[in-house]
Amino acid sequence: GDSVTQMEGPVTLSEEAFLTINCTYTATGYPSLFWYVQYPGEGLQLLLKATKADDKGSNKGFEATYRKETTSFHLEKGSVQVSDSAVYFCALRPVSGNKLVFGAGTILRVKS
Amino acid sequence: GAGVSQSPRYKVAKRGQDVALRCDPISGHVSLFWYQQALGQGPEFLTYFQNEAQLDKSGLPSDRFFAERPEGSVSTLKIQRTQQEDSAVYLCASSSWGQPQHFGDGTRLSIL
Repeated sequence: GDSVTQMEGPVTLSEEAFLTINCTYTATGYPSLFWYVQYPGEGLQLLLKATKADDKGSNKGFEATYRKETTSFHLEKGSVQVSDSAVYFCALRPVSGNKLVFGAGTILRVKS
Repeated sequence: GAGVSQSPRYKVAKRGQDVALRCDPISGHVSLFWYQQALGQGPEFLTYFQNEAQLDKSGLPSDRFFAERPEGSVSTLKIQRTQQEDSAVYLCASSSWGQPQHFGDGTRLSIL
């Protein structure tokens, strides 16, 4: 079945460091790919998305590129801030279907 | 309202009691989803509605779980004869057809 695997956390970085959170997926065809962010006590917020191979999603300085050849959608940011501390979820929406399949989440902690 | 609204935010129940969780989707969104998020895990799909029709309930863990959306707007997730393993955050999401899902802040359910 469809699945998403994320790097385990927590990831602890100093402010202004470079961030990479790895995400790989297993699915048939070309699913849509998403990154969601969850701040403490809140629901998930869509961070960025990509719907076809080689698409790059970007938002608030975060980027991720849909790589079909490696079935990956790694999240990157060039310079993290303390306010980026949250849990990040990679997810896919299968070609046939509407539900989202999530990874386990990666906790990011940014120190000032 | 501007976003997906869920109530109550927190619910404590004794084992064996019935609970009902409410979701008010974004106005005009035809698709509505329920997810269950265990502590430290990613959300897992429970069920999906398109308007008032429940098109996918493959994620409901047992026949104690029941969801409805009788008028194609507000939805209720009901859990009968609650058990400790039902303790989790229940997330509701809505979307326009083919668009990304928008999540509410969730209901944290604790079964004593």
